[in-house]
Amino acid sequence: GQQLNQSPQSMFIQEGEDVSMNCTSSSIFNTWLWYKQDPGEGPVLLIALYKAGELTSNGRLTAQFGITRKDSFLNISASIPSDVGIYFCAGQRNSGYALNFGKGTSLLVTP
Amino acid sequence: IAGITQAPTSQILAAGRRMTLRCTQDMRHNAMYWYRQDLGLGLRLIHYSNTAGTTGKGEVPDGYSVSRANTDDFPLTLASAVPSQTSVYFCASSRGQGTRNEQFFGPGTRLTVL
Repeated sequence: GQQLNQSPQSMFIQEGEDVSMNCTSSSIFNTWLWYKQDPGEGPVLLIALYKAGELTSNGRLTAQFGITRKDSFLNISASIPSDVGIYFCAGQRNSGYALNFGKGTSLLVTP
Repeated sequence: IAGITQAPTSQILAAGRRMTLRCTQDMRHNAMYWYRQDLGLGLRLIHYSNTAGTTGKGEVPDGYSVSRANTDDFPLTLASAVPSQTSVYFCASSRGQGTRNEQFFGPGTRLTVL
């Protein structure tokens, strides 16, 4: 499957800082999803994007579906210690097709 | 509402043994998926099923088989386990084709093959 390029690979920030991570692909996707995975658990869906240019928020999280349909970013504002985890982007070409995942961004937040 | 359950939580297995990982969902989702997660490689699709009675191969299907006898259950079988199958296995489900197809994941099974 098409691997997505997710960056940065890891981030180490202080509580209260804003965070930005992104995902790019050489292929067009019709859906972009962002997941968070806590240690020892399965990925949990944070935000789903279905239209090019779409900007969607979920609390302190904001994600955008790039206009070219080849990229997406996730912002976390005013980070808190419970934001620690691995964040994955996933792209889907068509409904019913499997997801293509990025390799994840590991986020560490110090109090 | 349980969502997706997986069993066992973890397992240590001797190479050559047969093993079935169980996955059950109670959301009446049409589609189900099996992924493996390895350090540095992310999540990779093993097999999927778009609806009960059908299955398909993903990115890394070799050494694995699946069946989908009903909507709720999607077991993954390793016929003869090898050490390279040591991984964390996640089952996922989604409503299926023609809909906004977000996938929801189970808690995972950590498998070690010695």
